[in-house]
Amino acid sequence: GAGVSQTPSNKVTEKGKYVELRCDPISGHTALYWYRQSLGQGPEFLIYFQGTGAADDSGLPNDRFFAVRPEGSVSTLKIQRTERGDSAVYLCASRSKGAGGSGGYNEQFFGPGTRLTVL
Amino acid sequence: GNSVTQMEGPVTLSEEAFLTINCTYTATGYPSLFWYVQYPGEGLQLLLKATKADDKGSNKGFEATYRKETTSFHLEKGSVQVSDSAVYFCALSLGWFGNEKLTFGTGTRLTIIP
Repeated sequence: GAGVSQTPSNKVTEKGKYVELRCDPISGHTALYWYRQSLGQGPEFLIYFQGTGAADDSGLPNDRFFAVRPEGSVSTLKIQRTERGDSAVYLCASRSKGAGGSGGYNEQFFGPGTRLTVL
Repeated sequence: GNSVTQMEGPVTLSEEAFLTINCTYTATGYPSLFWYVQYPGEGLQLLLKATKADDKGSNKGFEATYRKETTSFHLEKGSVQVSDSAVYFCALSLGWFGNEKLTFGTGTRLTIIP
């Protein structure tokens, strides 16, 4: 079946502009995560949705970053007044509800990411 | 806070060599531990996991054992192949059922030479 998809795959913008990044999770997955991966680093957590609500937004770096998931499926990460330091690959992951089968763990499935470049 | 420290890369090995990538962690609770892999041009994939002390995760010939006493989760493979060339990330999560966020290390780039 289809995996997690993210659009656009690449986004180039100018400093100060507004951008939206979209994530389509795997159908039926109730949990959705956003991470940011800077060059040469591991992914860093931004925000986690369970259904429509943000269960943990402790990783959002400042109030220029905002994410929504109005119908509990597609999510949009919004960045206002972009800065050069926002340049990174933004990753989305989704996970099915509750405890999994063997080992009781439900894996997070990652999308291919959106590469954001702020000039 | 929670953190993961993994072996600096890049690592270059010949085919059929033995691989170890070191990973240690710091956590405020009792974490689950993971290795993720990112093949060229592809997204992050879960390679293996361990959810409690002394558990051994294994997949595709890779193994890692959850060592609580040394707070480590080193990745090993007895005989690497060219197709194992990728970036490997060690990670932890504090949610038993994967509810919580993943905290990743910086990644280790592995290149296998024929």
